[in-house]
Amino acid sequence: DSGVTQTPKHLITATGQRVTLRCSPRSGDLSVYWYQQSLDQGLQFLIQYYNGEERAKGNILERFSAQQFPDLHSELNLSSLELGDSALYFCASSNYRERGYTFGSGTRLTVV
Amino acid sequence: KNEVEQSPQNLTAQEGEFITINCSYSVGISALHWLQQHPGGGIVSLFMLSSGKKKHGRLIATINIQEKHSSLHITASHPRDSAVYICAVLPTQGGSEKLVFGKGTKLTVNP
Repeated sequence: DSGVTQTPKHLITATGQRVTLRCSPRSGDLSVYWYQQSLDQGLQFLIQYYNGEERAKGNILERFSAQQFPDLHSELNLSSLELGDSALYFCASSNYRERGYTFGSGTRLTVV
Repeated sequence: KNEVEQSPQNLTAQEGEFITINCSYSVGISALHWLQQHPGGGIVSLFMLSSGKKKHGRLIATINIQEKHSSLHITASHPRDSAVYICAVLPTQGGSEKLVFGKGTKLTVNP
């Protein structure tokens, strides 16, 4: 167990639907990052939250949104899903200056 | 051109061989990570480097900041080392804390 918990591990849903992915960071880590890994694009940064506030944004689609709650867990919301959104979604957390990055085990999203 | 380049893309070795995976990057960085991803998806952070060399068991990672290059070595390779190894850097520009990834090296170690 890396200390970063992601749920669910697998998700199968239909096009047009909306899903929510959840991430609990390692204890003491204030930053949460969301990454998407698709077969043709590799790992891509989506968004970062630090202590509840958005810190940096990558190539995140407008159909996607995220937030970090007061208890520091984060949710990634994906809406109007398309087949191309099928990918592994990873969450990572860091208390960067001290302990580097820790990745969760990922959520495999399949859109059918 | 990608900011992070890894070589080789694919590597097949026999059990017991010494393995080297290389990573070159083109931007100033504050740290470099080596990550391991097994089939089935989970990512494990192996090393975080900002200078010099680190060793953990049979794994050794080195970095040369001046040459913008890092290597990951595996001694006495074993089939359980079969995985994708990913180099990722933390650019200093803009005070970013987000990783930039290489495309990975797929390692297969045959018994």
